Amino acid sequence: QKEVEQDPGPLSVPEGAIVSLNCTYSNSAFQYFMWYRQYSRKGPELLMYTYSSGNKEDGRFTAQVDKSSKYISLFIRDSQPSDSATYLCAMRLNNAGNMLTFGGGTRLMVKP
Amino acid sequence: EPEVTQTPSHQVTQMGQEVILRCVPISNHLYFYWYRQILGQKVEFLVSFYNNEISEKSEIFDDQFSVERPDGSNFTLKIRSTKLEDSAMYFCASTVEGANSPLHFGNGTRLTVT
Repeated sequence: QKEVEQDPGPLSVPEGAIVSLNCTYSNSAFQYFMWYRQYSRKGPELLMYTYSSGNKEDGRFTAQVDKSSKYISLFIRDSQPSDSATYLCAMRLNNAGNMLTFGGGTRLMVKP
Repeated sequence: EPEVTQTPSHQVTQMGQEVILRCVPISNHLYFYWYRQILGQKVEFLVSFYNNEISEKSEIFDDQFSVERPDGSNFTLKIRSTKLEDSAMYFCASTVEGANSPLHFGNGTRLTVT
């Protein structure tokens, strides 16, 4: 079983739609969860950073962590064409410094 | 906004050659990292570096790899004898407080080994 799994997409939505991106993971010891956005030929850019279970909101972005189901989500409200990118989930153990384990990424396309 | 800067953006080298990838982390950051992403695969952790020492390294980071902070601003990754399978995007990252702060990535160096 892969440690962190993401549907690779592509996920194509119309502008203004609500987007739901998800990751599942197998290691219940993961405690910190992140979402990165990666544009073509660029490095990953941090969007959301959460600890343990619960929700976190930042502007149009909401991150949810359900540790009991080993499932994390990123919601994007009022999606824009500029949101078109690959979204990577990442997570780490409590005492693992910044040794992140990444998912494979979901490619999102927001059409005007 | 301060950025992590990586040079070159693309490096082509022949198998067996040594290559050095360079990074300038954000100026007040103290913890430095290298990750890589083989085309079509996941981003993978290679090594973390703090206080002039390797803090953690993955199984990928074998004896062919080394890291150095030769002066107050640069952070380098050296691959001694490149193999075809070393072809990947190599991302440098830095943080202020290590595990208590999230990573800021550079835009990567694409390494092509022929």
